[in-house]
Amino acid sequence: DIQMTQSPSFLSASVGDRVTLNCKASQNINKYLNWYQQKLGEAPKLLIYNANSLQTGIPSRFSGSGSGTDFTLTISSLQPEDVATYFCQQYYSGYTFGAGTKLELK
Amino acid sequence: QVTLKESGPGILQPSQTLSLTCSFSGFSLSTYGMCVGWIRQSSGKGLEWLANIWWNDDKYYNPSLKNRLTISKDTSNNQAFLKITNMDTADTATYYCASNNPYYFDYWGQGVMVTVSS
Repeated sequence: DIQMTQSPSFLSASVGDRVTLNCKASQNINKYLNWYQQKLGEAPKLLIYNANSLQTGIPSRFSGSGSGTDFTLTISSLQPEDVATYFCQQYYSGYTFGAGTKLELK
Repeated sequence: QVTLKESGPGILQPSQTLSLTCSFSGFSLSTYGMCVGWIRQSSGKGLEWLANIWWNDDKYYNPSLKNRLTISKDTSNNQAFLKITNMDTADTATYYCASNNPYYFDYWGQGVMVTVSS
């Protein structure tokens, strides 16, 4: 099984900050990596697919990068509505999700 | 507009079989390339993919749960189904269905909470 490790588990940042969330795969997954945002009480929402492609309707302040085993989700200027938990998911072999990074406002 | 909605029993006892229904609109599971997946979320295991079913009736299961899962569909009524046998307290979770492109889950239902308790 491919394991996905996200860091940090919790992150506190201020409005306007540039925020970076990390995801590491236990083996090479090329670019087969997606990012989701989950707000409290809601279902996950697709943000980024194929490591760096922005899903339709998602603000351009969200971006993804990486390949192989190391991936990053960046929010260029944090907004209050970005408070959520963020998950990465690999699809190189089956589908597995990371444990998430909970993002809060400072 | 794509929408999905899960339905299920809410609560069941250990060893019982869970039957879930995903009712969807905005796409058809008879269309080439379409796929619906089931994912659950628990405080203990986080997000866990369970199974998916394709337009051509191909089915894929999480190997760790494969012996307990059965996925199926009713194309004419725009529904997908998941059965999980021998439910345990560890299966307590919110269960989601999602349209599955198939590399990512692009539209999700609101989820249905399932509690396993004696």
